Amino acid sequence: DAGVIQSPRHEVTEMGQEVTLRCKPISGHNSLFWYRQTMMRGLELLIYFNNNVPIDDSGMPEDRFSAKMPNASFSTLKIQPSEPRDSAVYFCASSGTGGQPQHFGDGTRLSIL
Amino acid sequence: RKEVEQDPGPFNVPEGATVAFNCTYSNSASQSFFWYRQDCRKEPKLLMSVYSSGNEDGRFTAQLNRASQYISLLIRDSKLSDSATYLCVVGVSGGYQKVTFGTGTKLQVIP
Repeated sequence: DAGVIQSPRHEVTEMGQEVTLRCKPISGHNSLFWYRQTMMRGLELLIYFNNNVPIDDSGMPEDRFSAKMPNASFSTLKIQPSEPRDSAVYFCASSGTGGQPQHFGDGTRLSIL
Repeated sequence: RKEVEQDPGPFNVPEGATVAFNCTYSNSASQSFFWYRQDCRKEPKLLMSVYSSGNEDGRFTAQLNRASQYISLLIRDSKLSDSATYLCVVGVSGGYQKVTFGTGTKLQVIP
């Protein structure tokens, strides 16, 4: 079975540019999570969706970050405009109901120059 | 107090040794518990769920102590391939599956 699929795997861009990260959750999972990981701050939850509805976006750093989930099989995380401090690994994860564990994608390694 | 706390380590142990990690959580309403492992520059991967009665998967044993609000992971006969960061994960039931990750305990198994 396919796991969580993220794209791109790597992104290098200049500050000020728009960055779009994509995620396809595991089929049948109804919760989707976006995380950011850095050496300094560890793994941080940015936002999560349940049945395509954003439930908690309190982890989103600022208005430059936005996330959408237009359907059960696709989500995006956008950063506009990007800044060097946004450089990190961004993970998407999904889970089913009833206390099921989350499964992570391979992550997107983002570098903002 | 952090929601989930772990000793960051590193734990440096020789091959074949037994090593144990503990993790404490602050929310007494927590209902789901997991251990994940994360290799350098890789995604976190589920190692095992932790059940109330404790559970074992090969060389790995997980325990839950609700009274003291901690979970533990025991690794027997450590292998070089066990070298990784182990993340404690705790969730509160409510249907939304949100969990809190600990910052991880680093294990280095030495030849």
